Amino acid sequence: EPEVTQTPSHQVTQMGQEVILRCVPISNHLYFYWYRQILGQKVEFLVSFYNNEISEKSEIFDDQFSVERPDGSNFTLKIRSTKLEDSAMYFCASGQSGVREKLFFGSGTQLSVL
Amino acid sequence: DQQVKQNSPSLSVQEGRISILNCDYTNSMFDYFLWYKKYPAEGPTFLISISSIKDKNEDGRFTVFLNKSAKHLSLHIVPSQPGDSAVYFCAARSGGSQGNLIFGKGTKLSVKP
Repeated sequence: EPEVTQTPSHQVTQMGQEVILRCVPISNHLYFYWYRQILGQKVEFLVSFYNNEISEKSEIFDDQFSVERPDGSNFTLKIRSTKLEDSAMYFCASGQSGVREKLFFGSGTQLSVL
Repeated sequence: DQQVKQNSPSLSVQEGRISILNCDYTNSMFDYFLWYKKYPAEGPTFLISISSIKDKNEDGRFTVFLNKSAKHLSLHIVPSQPGDSAVYFCAARSGGSQGNLIFGKGTKLSVKP
């Protein structure tokens, strides 16, 4: 069964450093998402991406965050200057259509900001 | 601001019995509800969903019930199996949203042999 793959599985960085989290969505999917889960809290929506642009974003997704689909297969989340509170598990997800469909999630990247 | 609430952080059930996981929501604009299952070190996996125009959806051992007037949904697993042990997340989507799912905090289900 096709799956969403995320790399790296763990990322440790110093506060203020830039990080890029990478995702390869399922190949025939058109909608792409980033979610995150801070330890002990719920999974939170960050951003959705369709047709090479952001279609929705949450309050969490401020100017420090950006997303990109640099080629036909990768989908990246960049955090420009990491803060301690950015430490979380970041999940990439993809879907075939934007409404009333199930999202397929990757296994996540655990980001630790020191 | 908890628009989707799962008030039971954990549930323990004997193998073969029914597991009932509950979820409440506050936003009447939600038009689609989903249940995801999550094992440790894995991402959430879609389990079953229901549109707000229905009150029941069944898929094998899994049934989701929606009570719109009470803003409540539940997931029934019968019979429960040890492999069902995982964290179950209830999620909801606003009408017209491009996949912005609002998740509950999850309920950890343990099915004991």
